[in-house]
Amino acid sequence: EPEVTQTPSHQVTQMGQEVILRCVPISNHLYFYWYRQILGQKVEFLVSFYNNEISEKSEIFDDQFSVERPDGSNFTLKIRSTKLEDSAMYFCASRFFGTGSEKLFFGSGTQLSVL
Amino acid sequence: EDQVTQSPEALRLQEGESSSLNCSYTVSGLRGLFWYRQDPGKGPEFLFTLYSAGEEKEKERLKATLTKKESFLHITAPKPEDSATYLCAVPLALSGGYQKVTFGIGTKLQVIP
Repeated sequence: EPEVTQTPSHQVTQMGQEVILRCVPISNHLYFYWYRQILGQKVEFLVSFYNNEISEKSEIFDDQFSVERPDGSNFTLKIRSTKLEDSAMYFCASRFFGTGSEKLFFGSGTQLSVL
Repeated sequence: EDQVTQSPEALRLQEGESSSLNCSYTVSGLRGLFWYRQDPGKGPEFLFTLYSAGEEKEKERLKATLTKKESFLHITAPKPEDSATYLCAVPLALSGGYQKVTFGIGTKLQVIP
């Protein structure tokens, strides 16, 4: 069964450093998302991406964050200057297009620890 | 404001002891309601989509139902392997056909042998 793949599974970085989280969505999906989950809290929406542009972003997704689909398969989340409060599990998700296809398929996540 | 509220936040059951999890929502123009299962350190795994009041979906020991204001996830004769956090989520329609999915806090279920 097709799945969303995320790398790395764990990332440790120093505060102020840049990190790039990588995702390979399911191949025929058209919508791509990043969510995050701080330990013990709810899964929070960060950004959605369609047709090579951001379609919606949350208030969490400030200028320190960016997303990119550099080729036909990868989808990345970059955090330019990490803060302690960026420590969380980051999930990539994708979905197909059309009514009845609203469900999201999630990857296994990247656990980001900012020291 | 669109909201998704789940209760209880934690539930401890004996193996075989049936129960229900609740998800209430205040969303205008509901376009469906999702249930996901999340194991520790993993991403949410899709279980069900419900689209209209009165709809029911079943999978093994799980049955999801939907009313106009809430959804229930019924767990019949649970086993220890059903232990997980169960997430309720609602897609919110945005302009241009886009959407974002809003999650509840989840119910952490523990089934004791």
